[in-house]
Amino acid sequence: QVQLQESGPGLVKPLETLSLTCTVSGGTIDTYYWSWIRQPPGKGLEWIGNIYNSGNTNYNPSLKSRVSMSVDTSKNHFSLKLTSVTAADTAVYYCARETILVRGVGWFDPWGQGTLVTVSS
Amino acid sequence: QSVLTQPPSASGTPGQRVTISCSGSSSNIGGNTVNWYQQLPGTAPKLLIYSNNQRPSGVPDQFSGSKSGTSASLAISGLQSEDEADYYCAAWDDSLNGWVFGGGTKLTVL
Repeated sequence: QVQLQESGPGLVKPLETLSLTCTVSGGTIDTYYWSWIRQPPGKGLEWIGNIYNSGNTNYNPSLKSRVSMSVDTSKNHFSLKLTSVTAADTAVYYCARETILVRGVGWFDPWGQGTLVTVSS
Repeated sequence: QSVLTQPPSASGTPGQRVTISCSGSSSNIGGNTVNWYQQLPGTAPKLLIYSNNQRPSGVPDQFSGSKSGTSASLAISGLQSEDEADYYCAAWDDSLNGWVFGGGTKLTVL
């Protein structure tokens, strides 16, 4: 079965760039969309964006100016970069496989275990 | 402020049936399907219901989902202590061109 694992620094300084990678095992990264979702401590879930193996991306409009995603099919992983971070970007960051049947019909499954990123000097 | 509206909390006693509501608009729930995720304490969210009322393999039939107009509901019957968790609804939003979540409902089993 497919498993996802996030990796990257747990501490990022303000105004620097947050970089995370999600490695997919037990399946291929082809033919699916792959999403990043975050959850600030004690708060709800926020979708950051997604990427297809072709490199097509969709980003949350509220983060679009600071977000970029990429995919490396040879390594079976995809990545997130978030620039100019502030304390408000402190959160657990999850990666998830996104199944889309048609526009408006899809879901996230499975999810990675999540990784806490703290923005602090 | 979440795009989808859920009650912040819900509760019930063992064996009881509880429902959690999720309210949206024509650009999300009204025109697209709804998913529900269960987040047990200290763990990642897990898909509970997809496409309004479908259960993934392994999810017991005590969980059921429904949708009407711009609202959706998650019902949990035969409540058990291990059902204590946060529950989130989600849907694609055509106006935002992205996924939106509810603020989450914390379910307590009394």
